[in-house]
Amino acid sequence: EVQVVESGGGLVQPGTSLRLSCEASGYIFEDYAMHWVRQAPGKGLEWVSGISWNGGRIDYADSVKGRSTISRDNAKNSLFLQMNSLRAEDTALYYCVKGTDLTGTDGHFDYWGQGTLVTVSS
Amino acid sequence: SYELTQPPSVAVSPGQTAIITCSGDNLGDKFASWYQQGPGQSPVVVMYLNDDRPSGIPERFSGSNSGNTATLTISGTQAMDEADYYCQAWDSGTVFFGGGTKLTVL
Repeated sequence: EVQVVESGGGLVQPGTSLRLSCEASGYIFEDYAMHWVRQAPGKGLEWVSGISWNGGRIDYADSVKGRSTISRDNAKNSLFLQMNSLRAEDTALYYCVKGTDLTGTDGHFDYWGQGTLVTVSS
Repeated sequence: SYELTQPPSVAVSPGQTAIITCSGDNLGDKFASWYQQGPGQSPVVVMYLNDDRPSGIPERFSGSNSGNTATLTISGTQAMDEADYYCQAWDSGTVFFGGGTKLTVL
């Protein structure tokens, strides 16, 4: 059974940093791209970032570009999102999502975690 | 940046057909996917590559994509189909989601 489990969310002050983690199981992790998608309270889905199977291609949404770094460790079946200079508008439930292609430039999202909540507030 | 537009809400009676649209510039030249999100739940893909249904998704769900509009159709809508639905497409290596449509089964 495919599972993706996020961790690392919490309440942080504006301007600080946070590192989200995701552990995947039940499939060959290194065969697929991975993504982070967020959802602000009561709002819709927003793609944040994607990474190819080997980390060779990385893309970010304009809203987080320059403040966030996505990475993966295929040996540990893990995905990460380092978020810096956090703002109130970054408050959201962050989902770790499995892609269906290698490069992270196509396909759809076939498995979603339960999400980890990030709240940015003073 | 690319935009996908969905109606905020659609209402249908049980047993009737629900049609949820997603509009975007030349969307028909891309592949559209659809996700269903129940209250307090994570999204689940219900349609991909415009009209492919994942295993486990009922046959009453169907999809199409042409011109500037992708459509998710739910035939014989059931109470359990009440949820938020999001369309999704790729443009220049970036993922875009529609704003979501709340489907109410009256």
